[in-house]
Amino acid sequence: DAGITQSPRHKVTETGTPVTLRCHQTENHRYMYWYRQDPGHGLRLIHYSYGVKDTDKGEVSDGYSVSRSKTEDFLLTLESATSSQTSVYFCAISEGWGGQETQYFGPGTRLLVL
Amino acid sequence: AQTVTQSQPEMSVQEAETVTLSCTYDTSESDYYLFWYKQPPSRQMILVIRQEAYKQQNATENRFSVNFQKAAKSFSLKISDSQLGDAAMYFCAHSSPNFGNEKLTFGTGTRLTIIP
Repeated sequence: DAGITQSPRHKVTETGTPVTLRCHQTENHRYMYWYRQDPGHGLRLIHYSYGVKDTDKGEVSDGYSVSRSKTEDFLLTLESATSSQTSVYFCAISEGWGGQETQYFGPGTRLLVL
Repeated sequence: AQTVTQSQPEMSVQEAETVTLSCTYDTSESDYYLFWYKQPPSRQMILVIRQEAYKQQNATENRFSVNFQKAAKSFSLKISDSQLGDAAMYFCAHSSPNFGNEKLTFGTGTRLTIIP
């Protein structure tokens, strides 16, 4: 258990509304990630953070923004949700060093956009 | 860009038997990491095993072991003495060393069913 929580765990929203998902970690990890999981695609990286206020895009970043104002929280925002953003969203942290780096995941957030 | 391929969408095995899940990957790098993650019905992503490419010895974790063939770019997972709790989606993943910021590339997963 890497001390990662995600909120909310489930959300139903309507097309066009903004949505913010929160990832919270308690162990002061520097690197944090947001992935989405869809059938037939595995998990794909949306955005990642390498420190407070330091973020960058991943493979599927269109339609998403992120923020990290403090070490423990990494927020994922859908500015105007679309049905194609219906997915399960996972937050992850990177732990370890010197060749032992490994990612550990939060419990996931299931998002349904109607 | 790296790609990871899992060619078996579904597998099944009798309880107590052995099963092997396949994974191939494509990378131009000589140093990298490979992982198997398990996702049970709870949806939690659980690390099963990891392998550093520079290590020739195959990783093992209790009933789980890998067959890492670097030249063939193959990374299969063997589960021995299968148990009902092993039923899950299994994902193979690759990352490149990046000073702690190793981003994962996943395969599409293999759903493993355990037959009592």
